Amino acid sequence: GIQVEQSPPDLILQEGANSTLRCNFSDSVNNLQWFHQNPWGQLINLFYIPSGTKQNGRLSATTVATERYSLLYISSSQTTDSGVYFCAASTGGGNKLTFGTGTQLKVEL
Amino acid sequence: GAVVSQHPSRVICKSGTSVKIECRSLDFQATTMFWYRQFPKKSLMLMATSNEGSKATYEQGVEKDKFLINHASLTLSTLTVTSAHPEDSSFYICSAFAGGGSTDTQYFGPGTRLTVL
Repeated sequence: GIQVEQSPPDLILQEGANSTLRCNFSDSVNNLQWFHQNPWGQLINLFYIPSGTKQNGRLSATTVATERYSLLYISSSQTTDSGVYFCAASTGGGNKLTFGTGTQLKVEL
Repeated sequence: GAVVSQHPSRVICKSGTSVKIECRSLDFQATTMFWYRQFPKKSLMLMATSNEGSKATYEQGVEKDKFLINHASLTLSTLTVTSAHPEDSSFYICSAFAGGGSTDTQYFGPGTRLTVL
């Protein structure tokens, strides 16, 4: 099956800093999503982005499908951005998502 | 829109008992629901795919007789952990997929934390 890897595994930022999270996947995808898992475990949808670029406020994402990677950009980070960020991808039919290993982000004052 | 609920949010049970977890899509019909398991500080692992009106499809290594899944309607799927043991303690998360339209987005429930004593 598809392999999904994320980097870095851990990231500590000062409030106001910018960051880039990376997601590499091993096969062509028909679905790629970014999520933020808050401290209570809820997965919050950030982007559905199998290709192209999207922006939502301080967050933006780019997927280069031909090179099999996706990037999540966080600008002007805030303490509420802390948590784990996952990308997940699916290939072929069935819409089964394979989750990446996650990036644990901590934003400090 | 696209809200998925889970009940209960937290459950503690004795070893040997069975526990049922409900997953509901509140404002859309879900042709497919998925069940995941997450261990502390780990990623989510897909357990099974639940399609309305048909048998669930389990991932390799998941015991279908231990984790019973029923998808009786387009808005409800249930996961029953039978004869639970301490090693079944985990965070269980469901997702719902509406299908069709311009996106194939899955929406996730808030999760159920199961502790087996």
